[in-house]
Amino acid sequence: KNEVEQSPQNLTAQEGEFITINCSYSVGISALHWLQQHPGGGIVSLFMLSSGKKKHGRLIATINIQEKHSSLHITASHPRDSAVYICAVKYFGNEKLTFGTGTRLTIIP
Amino acid sequence: GAGVSQSPRYKVAKRGQDVALRCDPISGHVSLFWYQQALGQGPEFLTYFQNEAQLDKSGLPSDRFFAERPEGSVSTLKIQRTQQEDSAVYLCASSSGGTSPLAKNIQYFGAGTRLSVL
Repeated sequence: KNEVEQSPQNLTAQEGEFITINCSYSVGISALHWLQQHPGGGIVSLFMLSSGKKKHGRLIATINIQEKHSSLHITASHPRDSAVYICAVKYFGNEKLTFGTGTRLTIIP
Repeated sequence: GAGVSQSPRYKVAKRGQDVALRCDPISGHVSLFWYQQALGQGPEFLTYFQNEAQLDKSGLPSDRFFAERPEGSVSTLKIQRTQQEDSAVYLCASSSGGTSPLAKNIQYFGAGTRLSVL
């Protein structure tokens, strides 16, 4: 069983819709990352969170440490947002990232 | 360089062949990570270096996998006697390891090497 669970696995939406992707984890962490992966493999770091909320353009990431849950929101979605979004956590005393299986997002024009 | 560079981008190997995958981290980055990503899955940790020291190799799947970073910059992941189940994208990431707790946590990823073993 993966220690980092994401939902949904696949999401298709119309352009302009508000998107939410969820991530939950089982034990305490020092940081949580949201990453974006386009076809071809390249991974880009979107956010790193240890508490609260961060916003960058149309992207918002929140984390609830007590509930061990994070969400990534995309407002006014656009076809160029189509990608796989991956949640990854870093546990205390450990440098490596543990990844979720990703959410494949497709935005239809 | 401006980012993490991996080469080759694509590698096709015959079963049983040895392969070497290269990673050039961001200049000055102390920490370097190798991850393996099977098709349709999230990346999984292979090994981690701090400078030239390999501090964690718990994710290497077998003794056919070997990684080195002899001068604390460029790293090579070597796979001996490749098997079909080794087919995956191999991702390298580096982080600064700076004094700021936030700065040292951000990992910057290369584009990966897609290995296909026939």
